[in-house]
Amino acid sequence: DIQMTQSPSSLSASVRDRVTITCRASQTISNYLNWYQQKPGKAPKLLIYAASNLQTGVPSRFSGSGSGTDFTLTINSLQPEDFATYYCQQSYGTPWTFGQGTKVEIK
Amino acid sequence: QVQLQESGPGLVKPSETLSLTCSVSGGSISGYYWSWIRQPPGMGLEWIGYIHYSGSTNYNPSLQSRVTISVDTSKNQFSLKLSSVTAADTAVYYCARDKILGGNHYYMDVWGKGTTVTVSS
Repeated sequence: DIQMTQSPSSLSASVRDRVTITCRASQTISNYLNWYQQKPGKAPKLLIYAASNLQTGVPSRFSGSGSGTDFTLTINSLQPEDFATYYCQQSYGTPWTFGQGTKVEIK
Repeated sequence: QVQLQESGPGLVKPSETLSLTCSVSGGSISGYYWSWIRQPPGMGLEWIGYIHYSGSTNYNPSLQSRVTISVDTSKNQFSLKLSSVTAADTAVYYCARDKILGGNHYYMDVWGKGTTVTVSS
């Protein structure tokens, strides 16, 4: 299985901060990388697909980059509704696997 | 707008079979792959497997011996069966639609709200 490792596991940030979350794959996965946001008690929501494509309806302050083994999710100007847990997921090969999650908390 | 809704028993006894159904509304089940994902309490996400509307499947090897995913296009539904359950199978179970960007670029773009399944006697 392809292991996905996110860092940090959690972070504290303030509204209007710029936040960066990193995801590393245990082998090269080209750009077969998706990002999801999950709020407590809710289903995950797709933010970014194929590493850098913004899902329809997702605010442009979210962006994704990377290829190969290292990927980044950036949130520019963090908003109150962005406090949540973020997961990366690879679709390069089955079984599809997720990172352990990064919890973004209010400072 | 496509919506997914999971349904099934919230409590299953150890060693029995967990059975869930995902109903698709607002769109057709045809033309897509459909996944099941689960999340144990306080933990991360685990992909269980997917099914194509034609019936072809792909399962997570960690669960393959116990999992069956099936589809009923006439009812616009797909289902999950997980046999010989233990407490470790206690989780929120989600169904999701898999979209393909070309090649093998799969991503899960529509999710159900999830259903909690507890394994306990």
